[in-house]
Amino acid sequence: QVQLQESGPGLVKPSETLSLACSVSGGSISTDYWSWIRQPPGKGLEWIGYMSDSGSTDYNPSLRSRVTISMDTSKNQFSLKLNSLTAADTAVYYCVREKFDNNNWYYFDYWGQGALVTVSS
Amino acid sequence: DIQMTQSPSSLSASVGDRVTITCRASQTIDTYLNWYQQKPGQAPKLLIYGASIFHSGVSSRFSGSGSGTDFTLTISSLQTEDFATYYCQQSFITPRTFGQGTKVEIK
Repeated sequence: QVQLQESGPGLVKPSETLSLACSVSGGSISTDYWSWIRQPPGKGLEWIGYMSDSGSTDYNPSLRSRVTISMDTSKNQFSLKLNSLTAADTAVYYCVREKFDNNNWYYFDYWGQGALVTVSS
Repeated sequence: DIQMTQSPSSLSASVGDRVTITCRASQTIDTYLNWYQQKPGQAPKLLIYGASIFHSGVSSRFSGSGSGTDFTLTISSLQTEDFATYYCQQSFITPRTFGQGTKVEIK
């Protein structure tokens, strides 16, 4: 059973950088895709981006200029950095595995519990 | 980006009811369509992928259908634990996009 756990500060000031880490247990980040998805309070889900098992990245164009996803295979962790924060970035941030299965289906099958990040001075 | 539109945005139903939620994509996505259930304070859970394939452990009262641009999620007989918000999501291309959600409430 794959488990994911987000960690990082819950309060960040406007214009600063959000940094979150996701620790993965029960599976290796050397396979599949590792994603970040966020959900503003009371709203829907927004895909931020992913890093693949090969180390390539793909980001939502709406956030591409501000986001970086990286991976540390020695720690079985991946991370999110989002800079130039505004109040609109206040959300629950989920780290998620996107499975690419043998039949070419892609789906988000394992999710962290989520980390609420509030952007406020 | 592919826009995903769900309807209705919310519905009220009783235990035992048959419930259908629809999802429309702004362009064809073949059957690269996934459904998730989210309860308050919890992360979403995968129900169905590939438009109609059950994820492991999901109750058979959930079913999915459709291809191209139009999809449906059906709950055959609503149970108490099914009251939640449901999201569709396309995995055809990036950026991955979600529908706005359908909240299923108790009548």
